[in-house]
Amino acid sequence: EPEVTQTPSHQVTQMGQEVILRCVPISNHLYFYWYRQILGQKVEFLVSFYNNEISEKSEIFDDQFSVERPDGSNFTLKIRSTKLEDSAMYFCASNPLWGGGTLSSYEQYFGPGTRLTVT
Amino acid sequence: SQQGEEDPQALSIQEGENATMNCSYKTSINNLQWYRQNSGRGLVHLILIRSNEREKHSGRLRVTLDTSKKSSSLLITASRAADTASYFCATDGNNAGNMLTFGGGTRLMVKP
Repeated sequence: EPEVTQTPSHQVTQMGQEVILRCVPISNHLYFYWYRQILGQKVEFLVSFYNNEISEKSEIFDDQFSVERPDGSNFTLKIRSTKLEDSAMYFCASNPLWGGGTLSSYEQYFGPGTRLTVT
Repeated sequence: SQQGEEDPQALSIQEGENATMNCSYKTSINNLQWYRQNSGRGLVHLILIRSNEREKHSGRLRVTLDTSKKSSSLLITASRAADTASYFCATDGNNAGNMLTFGGGTRLMVKP
């Protein structure tokens, strides 16, 4: 069964450094997302991406963050000048969002996550 | 107030018993989804129920949705130790990006 994959599984970085988290969404899916989960807290939406542009973003997703789909398979989240509070699990998700009406599909399939630790 | 709040926050049952988790939300939704998360792992999609549906089944899972009360429940029947995990509801509303808003989750422990 197709899966969303993410690399690396764990990233340790020093405060102020830049990190790039990578995701390979499920092939033929059209919508891509990044969420994060700070330890012990809720999963929070960061950004959605469709047709090679940001569709929606949350207040968390400020100028420190950027997303890119550099080729036909990868979807990346770049975090510039990382801060201690950026430490969290970062999840990528994808959604086929095909069809319309009763055939529409809105299930979001999540990757295993990247645990980012900023020291 | 927060969208998608689950209760109870924690639930401990014996193997074979049924587990019921509830979710309440504040704003109108298109769909409500339930996810499972094993400790420190990713989110596994369990089931999606649309706003015009009232009940849905998938194996040992039964989900109900009451849009008038803005609430949903997830029932796991004949629980197993392997069902031990956190369970989250997530709603999507009238937004272009179909973003999901998650609740705080219910930590379920099934004792063998």
